[in-house]
Amino acid sequence: DAKTTQPPSMDCAEGRAANLPCNHSTISGNEYVYWYRQIHSQGPQYIIHGLKNNETNEMASLIITEDRKSSTLILPHATLRDTAVYYCISRRSGAGSYQLTFGKGTKLSVIP
Amino acid sequence: DAGITQSPRHKVTETGTPVTLRCHQTENHRYMYWYRQDPGHGLRLIHYSYGVKDTDKGEVSDGYSVSRSKTEDFLLTLESATSSQTSVYFCAIGGTSLSYEQYFGPGTRLTVT
Repeated sequence: DAKTTQPPSMDCAEGRAANLPCNHSTISGNEYVYWYRQIHSQGPQYIIHGLKNNETNEMASLIITEDRKSSTLILPHATLRDTAVYYCISRRSGAGSYQLTFGKGTKLSVIP
Repeated sequence: DAGITQSPRHKVTETGTPVTLRCHQTENHRYMYWYRQDPGHGLRLIHYSYGVKDTDKGEVSDGYSVSRSKTEDFLLTLESATSSQTSVYFCAIGGTSLSYEQYFGPGTRLTVT
């Protein structure tokens, strides 16, 4: 699985879009990009995942560059409840183990 | 939210005692997982199950055993608790060979004194 790199922390003003970058320059063709977040003391929460195309759901949008070496998670209108650690994970479909490997992630602070 | 509960939510126990944590799901999902989370290490997989009576080891399985006699329950047992097993334990469900979309329970905070 490709190593992912994220900034350790970011701030975002409440009501503005939060754009969280992730670098996965060694990603291979059959590896998906997954995003999770963990609000303080709670279990991680699945947000979204994608392979090549941009994806959108009720929580967020995922923009993957054409060369797939990086992606951006977009929270369109950040609220204080979006303050959390956000994890970008790449995982190969059909891999033998179903383990999710969480790195250090990006601590997003939404500022009033 | 996925129907996952963990019990107990908090526990303090002494070194050397056995401890069992329970994960219960109402989603009828085939796959269930136990992770532990420690500062500086992130989440690490302890064991997982891919069906009733079907389990396998994860990254940090030493000192832990699991059982799954029903689809809805996945038990994690610390055979003889040690201080290094003080941690927050999360149960998760979901995921297949094609998708790593997992849903996590609220966690159990275990302190071994």
